[in-house]
Amino acid sequence: QQPVQSPQAVILREGEDAVINCSSSKALYSVHWYRQKHGEAPVFLMILLKGGEQKGHEKISASFNEKKQQSSLYLTASQLSYSGTYFCGLSAGGTSYGKLTFGQGTILTVHP
Amino acid sequence: NAGVTQTPKFRVLKTGQSMTLLCAQDMNHEYMYWYRQDPGMGLRLIHYSVGEGTTAKGEVPDGYNVSRLKKQNFLLGLESAAPSQTSVYFCASSYSPLPLHFGNGTRLTVT
Repeated sequence: QQPVQSPQAVILREGEDAVINCSSSKALYSVHWYRQKHGEAPVFLMILLKGGEQKGHEKISASFNEKKQQSSLYLTASQLSYSGTYFCGLSAGGTSYGKLTFGQGTILTVHP
Repeated sequence: NAGVTQTPKFRVLKTGQSMTLLCAQDMNHEYMYWYRQDPGMGLRLIHYSVGEGTTAKGEVPDGYNVSRLKKQNFLLGLESAAPSQTSVYFCASSYSPLPLHFGNGTRLTVT
């Protein structure tokens, strides 16, 4: 079942912060975050494994709450380059290999 | 280093025609995948391969076939194209099996 991302779209000014949530109805092994700019391929941002550890990538970080079956992506002091569509991909682990189930995406637009 | 290369970039088919999309990776990755992307639907897995000579069905396999005769190549075939197969197709590869490295996509229109 496809994870649900919220919000569907966010509009920011440079320097503002944003949070993107990803919720699942299934137990999770890992959560993956990707960013896709218009007309381009999705690019890997980070993986969070079962355990709730928060990962970081420049001013972008994420958390993974196993009990709530939810992950959140935090973008702080946003830059123009952060604009794009953000996808979470969920893996059930085990023999699921790279069978990620992606959310519908959150469109982030950063204005000067 | 080219990474993941998809050909062609664009294609227009008429209903009932067939075609093959080619994905090539030069990273010596074991795992390869085909996803389709439709507006508001995110990326959905069509088929995947965990090694040369292996293939398996993903979430939306109907109407597609795949082959992985060589480790570096993963082919996606449409035997009889339908308008519902109009989409952007992304190939991806990975080593461990994650994270995924995506190609730049193929935009397919079926009229």
